[in-house]
Parts: sequence; C-alpha cells; structure tokens
Amino acid sequence: GAGVSQSPSNKVTEKGKDVELRCDPISGHTALYWYRQSLGQGLEFLIYFQGNSAPDKSGLPSDRFSAERTGGSVSTLTIQRTQQEDSAVYLCASSLDVYEQYFGPGTRLTVT
Amino acid sequence: QKEVEQNSGPLSVPEGAIASLNCTYSDRGSQSFFWYRQYSGKSPELIMFIYSNGDKEDGRFTAQLNKASQYVSLLIRDSQPSDSATYLCAVFSGNTGKLIFGQGTTLQVKP
Repeated sequence: GAGVSQSPSNKVTEKGKDVELRCDPISGHTALYWYRQSLGQGLEFLIYFQGNSAPDKSGLPSDRFSAERTGGSVSTLTIQRTQQEDSAVYLCASSLDVYEQYFGPGTRLTVT
Repeated sequence: QKEVEQNSGPLSVPEGAIASLNCTYSDRGSQSFFWYRQYSGKSPELIMFIYSNGDKEDGRFTAQLNKASQYVSLLIRDSQPSDSATYLCAVFSGNTGKLIFGQGTTLQVKP
C-alpha cells in the first residue's frame, strides 16, 4: 500500500522567508511524528500528533516552528523567518500505535 | 549520559561475516526497542523490533535484548555489501512517551 509521503522533496529558501513542509501519513495511522536530521547526525524529535492534537511539542527548537494536523491525516510543519541553522532533512513518520513508526522520504531544506 | 548510545563506527566486516551492532539505553522504564536501517541519502527503514528479553530472529537478522543490563543488539549473519548502511537504535520510553533514537552505527561490508 501507499507509504508516508512528504512534499516538497527539496526546498531552497532565502534566510528570513517562511516555509511549509507537508506530510501525508499512511492511511489509518493515528500517530504522526516530525523529526529533523542534520548532516551526519541522528534524528532530533520535533513534535508528535495523536489524532489532531499534539501532546508533546517539547522538541520544537523555537517559537519560529509550528505544526498542525487536520482531519487526523495531513500535517504541515511551518518554519517562520528561516535561519541557516534550520537547514536539514525534515522527516515525517506515522504509526498505527505509538511504537512502530514508518518514515517518509523527507524534505531537504536548504536556507541560503 | 545520552539516553540512547551507539558507537558511531564505522564498523567494517568482510562479506559473509557476522556484524554485531550494539546499543545501550539509560531509561529503565523503556518498553520497546527498534532497529532502523538508513542508507545514505534515504530515510530510516524499520527492520526489527523487540519487546521481551532474549533473542528475536528474522531471516539474517537477530535482535537481542537484555533489560537488566539495558542493552540491545542487532546481529546480521552472512553480511552482504548491500547491508552497508547506518543502523539506528530506537527506544520507546514509557516515561516520556517518545521514541528516542541513537546517533547510529555505520556498517561497511567489504566484498
């Protein structure tokens, strides 16, 4: 069946601009996660959703980052006033329970 | 101390050998343990999970869990060059409700 999809696959933006990253989870998966992975680094947890609510926002690096999920499905991660340190691969994962997470292909964000 | 620790490697093994990847974790409340494989430039792919002490085998892969020692490992038998990747250990903590990832171990299987 269809896996987790993310768009865009690549995004180049100028410092100070806002960006929106989209995630479409596997159909029926109630939990959705956002991670960030910088070059050569592990996965940094950002936020997770159970349904449309976000019980844990503790990983968001600053108030420039926000995320929402609508209809228990699609999620959008928004980064306002992007900075060069925001450059990374942003990964989305979904799961039926909270355990086995399946990842999308990621969005590579480059801030120039 | 990091919550989930892995040796970054690279771990280099010859083709056909057994590769042993290790992971330790700090939260004794951890309940579930996962191994992900990540090829360069790709996203992580779930390959094994284990919940109970002991061994769990799936094809050439065996996951081993020792909760008393807070240690989980992944053995890859008959290693192939296509197994060359970074292997991420992830631990689900009941205390935080989060899946915590280690930094990953890079495995190189040489023909």
